[in-house]
Amino acid sequence: AQSVTQLGSHVSVSEGALVLLRCNYSSSVPPYLFWYVQYPNQGLQLLLKYTTGATLVKGINGFEAEFKKSETSFHLTKPSAHMSDAAEYFCAVSGNTGKLIFGQGTTLQVKP
Amino acid sequence: DAGVIQSPRHEVTEMGQEVTLRCKPISGHDYLFWYRQTMMRGLELLIYFNNNVPIDDSGMPEDRFSAKMPNASFSTLKIQPSEPRDSAVYFCASSATYREISYEQYFGPGTRLTVT
Repeated sequence: AQSVTQLGSHVSVSEGALVLLRCNYSSSVPPYLFWYVQYPNQGLQLLLKYTTGATLVKGINGFEAEFKKSETSFHLTKPSAHMSDAAEYFCAVSGNTGKLIFGQGTTLQVKP
Repeated sequence: DAGVIQSPRHEVTEMGQEVTLRCKPISGHDYLFWYRQTMMRGLELLIYFNNNVPIDDSGMPEDRFSAKMPNASFSTLKIQPSEPRDSAVYFCASSATYREISYEQYFGPGTRLTVT
């Protein structure tokens, strides 16, 4: 069975500050991991993904995430937050069932 | 590539009416997913198809909901009769399989359904 836990349903940072969104997963098979972003009134958009190979993956808009197998984590980071980063972020895991298991989402607020 | 296409984008209907939501997946994708998103329950997987065959419909809330995929380029989600609690944003997504592993899903823009 697979599951995803996102720590913190709401995260607030100041513009220019580090963004850290936490995601822990559980998987009985080697996981494929994803981060999606959802802007208001839009569908989910893929930010980045880990399949195999390099454990530090870079995505769009300056985001990156590191796959840590020993910690079963896939935290999302961005060195400097921008107002346009305000959105909801979803972590997801894929195994061999054909579907993604999504976390509950984290709303990122960026304060000026 | 046009991406996943959903129609209509907005639907307002009265309780008891039939509602049909439509989805065209990305060409070549063999998985199709229907999700529902609400403030209270978040993002829920309703049903998904592989090669036009329903694989798991355990997320379908009740018999009022049905989904079909008559061919690789079209799927529908029907609610009959609709109820106010069905008000939500419904997303369709598709993905491709490579070596039996499903990769990332691509989401449509969603259909915002309001049942009065």
